[in-house]
Amino acid sequence: DAKTTQPPSMDCAEGRAANLPCNHSTISGNEYVYWYRQIHSQGPQYIIHGLKNNETNEMASLIITEDRKSSTLILPHATLRDTAVYYCIVRDMFSGGYNKLIFGAGTRLAVHP
Amino acid sequence: DAGVIQSPRHEVTEMGQEVTLRCKPISGHDYLFWYRQTMMRGLELLIYFNNNVPIDDSGMPEDRFSAKMPNASFSTLKIQPSEPRDSAVYFCATGGGINEQFFGPGTRLTVL
Repeated sequence: DAKTTQPPSMDCAEGRAANLPCNHSTISGNEYVYWYRQIHSQGPQYIIHGLKNNETNEMASLIITEDRKSSTLILPHATLRDTAVYYCIVRDMFSGGYNKLIFGAGTRLAVHP
Repeated sequence: DAGVIQSPRHEVTEMGQEVTLRCKPISGHDYLFWYRQTMMRGLELLIYFNNNVPIDDSGMPEDRFSAKMPNASFSTLKIQPSEPRDSAVYFCATGGGINEQFFGPGTRLTVL
């Protein structure tokens, strides 16, 4: 799987949008971009995924650049409960072992009052 | 649905003892994964099963570790003998499709 690069930490004020960047410059055509988060002492939680179009669900929006070399996860109105480590993962959905997720170090997002 | 159930939630044992971690997957999910998380190495995939069959165990650190899935409702991860460096949080996750994996609450293992 392609590697991703994320900033180690970010801060965000409560109520403001949190924009978490991810670089995946070596991503291939079959690889999707996935985002998970891990709140302290809990198991990781799926947020969203996409291939090349922008995606939105009840938790977040995912913006993928046209060349697909980077993406941004947007939490539109961050709350204190969004404080967590956010993982950006690229995954080939069509090769053997397609369900494997390879977690990097992620971005530690701190939402403050 | 109760989600992925793991037991015990906390385990403290002494070096050399056998440790068995248990996982009950979400009903209907065909894939089951065992992960380990430490401060030093982050979240690592140890092994995963598809329809109860081990598919990839390349992440299992050594022969002291073994995992089984005797049926669709149950899986175990066993460490024998345990060592202090095995101390970590062990997560079980299951997936029924290509989109997402559902993680359990984890088992915090401490080997003294």
